[in-house]
Amino acid sequence: DTGVSQDPRHKITKRGQNVTFRCDPISEHNRLYWYRQTLGQGPEFLTYFQNEAQLEKSRLLSDRFSAERPKGSFSTLEIQRTEQGDSAMYLCASSSAGERESGELFFGEGSRLTVL
Amino acid sequence: AQSVTQLGSHVSVSEGALVLLRCNYSSSVPPYLFWYVQYPNQGLQLLLKYTTGATLVKGINGFEAEFKKSETSFHLTKPSAHMSDAAEYFCAVTSDSNYQLIWGAGTKLIIKP
Repeated sequence: DTGVSQDPRHKITKRGQNVTFRCDPISEHNRLYWYRQTLGQGPEFLTYFQNEAQLEKSRLLSDRFSAERPKGSFSTLEIQRTEQGDSAMYLCASSSAGERESGELFFGEGSRLTVL
Repeated sequence: AQSVTQLGSHVSVSEGALVLLRCNYSSSVPPYLFWYVQYPNQGLQLLLKYTTGATLVKGINGFEAEFKKSETSFHLTKPSAHMSDAAEYFCAVTSDSNYQLIWGAGTKLIIKP
């Protein structure tokens, strides 16, 4: 297993377009997280899955954002009608259940979105 | 509500000098504390963590951190900086919920030759 992978690494789009990011977690991990990171800030929590169930969404996540993890493996994050304020690095992380308190998340390299 | 404050968005030290990155937290529950490192163009990776037990914890690459409850601090140190330590360092604390960490804004460590 090579770790958490994210695709694409970079995406440039025009305002109003839809974009989708994919995350493939470490195969034995059943927890998957999406974060957003802007320059000079730490990661901001967006949403979290345990297996295929989306257990929590941040209030930061507007109705334009949707995430899925249909078979409890890979996940997608879609942003509809993108706005310039959506420009950020979108990070995916995974972890094993039972390690909640260890806080050890394994991160991908991120997908950088630029909205023109 | 939990929060994390990292003092200094940029810290510059000479190669071979002591590294000290500061982290203070607030938490309404006994905290679990973490330091993550992000090298250029790479994902975040866990450097070290404090959960319970010994308050001085050792991590990878010669880093260590000490949990001081009375000072609500979890500062990261390394006795002798190396050029390869240049990266951004994030402090984080567990939230009240069971699924997310609360992150500091990060400190970029610059190593001068």
